[in-house]
Amino acid sequence: VQLVESGGGFVKPGGSLRLSCAASGFIFSDYYMSWLRQAPGKGLEWVSHISSTGYTIYYADSVRGRFTISRDDAKNSLYLQMNSLRAEDTAVYYCARDWIPAAGLPNFDYWGRGTLVTVSS
Amino acid sequence: SVLTQPPSASGTPGQRVTISCSGSSSNLGTNYVYWYQQLPGTAPKLLIYGNNQRPSGVPDRFSGSKSGTSASLAISGLRSEDEADYYCAAWYDSLSGWVFGGGTKLTVL
Repeated sequence: VQLVESGGGFVKPGGSLRLSCAASGFIFSDYYMSWLRQAPGKGLEWVSHISSTGYTIYYADSVRGRFTISRDDAKNSLYLQMNSLRAEDTAVYYCARDWIPAAGLPNFDYWGRGTLVTVSS
Repeated sequence: SVLTQPPSASGTPGQRVTISCSGSSSNLGTNYVYWYQQLPGTAPKLLIYGNNQRPSGVPDRFSGSKSGTSASLAISGLRSEDEADYYCAAWYDSLSGWVFGGGTKLTVL
């Protein structure tokens, strides 16, 4: 299993970025996928997840209405469109393989190395 | 953080240490607890899922338990390579999302 994030960078407040996560080594279309983040020197924060079918999507309150998660099973890829970025969105963003929540399954069992997003004027 | 962890813990090699995680009826009280280990400069790694299940490859020195709205991670036979940040997590029903503890930095003296 390999997950590789890309698309991070430096952006001004109010700007946009699109993160990508390329997956390999497993049947991507069978799994939920999630984005999580970690601000510099801080703890982990779950951002969003998408079901294997793409029909069930959840967001953290801190990003709802600004971020959009999506997937392209033909490309084995997960995406996070981030709009109206704020300084507090500065973090390393990780994609992680996920499962149905609250079912006792090994949620977030594989993680990518992350991509850094810096929001600053 | 929604889940409460002590900011730090420590132990000597060979010792047994525990890290606590406290939540509420809406998260730990009704859902499973998860534990993640983050070694310095690396991505987190799943350590315990479903309260007390270890993914393949995780040594049995690591064990998890949950009772009511509290959970704990125990590490026995402490080793220097266990020095890391440890995070607990759980599904939060009323938020329809995952919540994490603030993390516990484990130091091996």
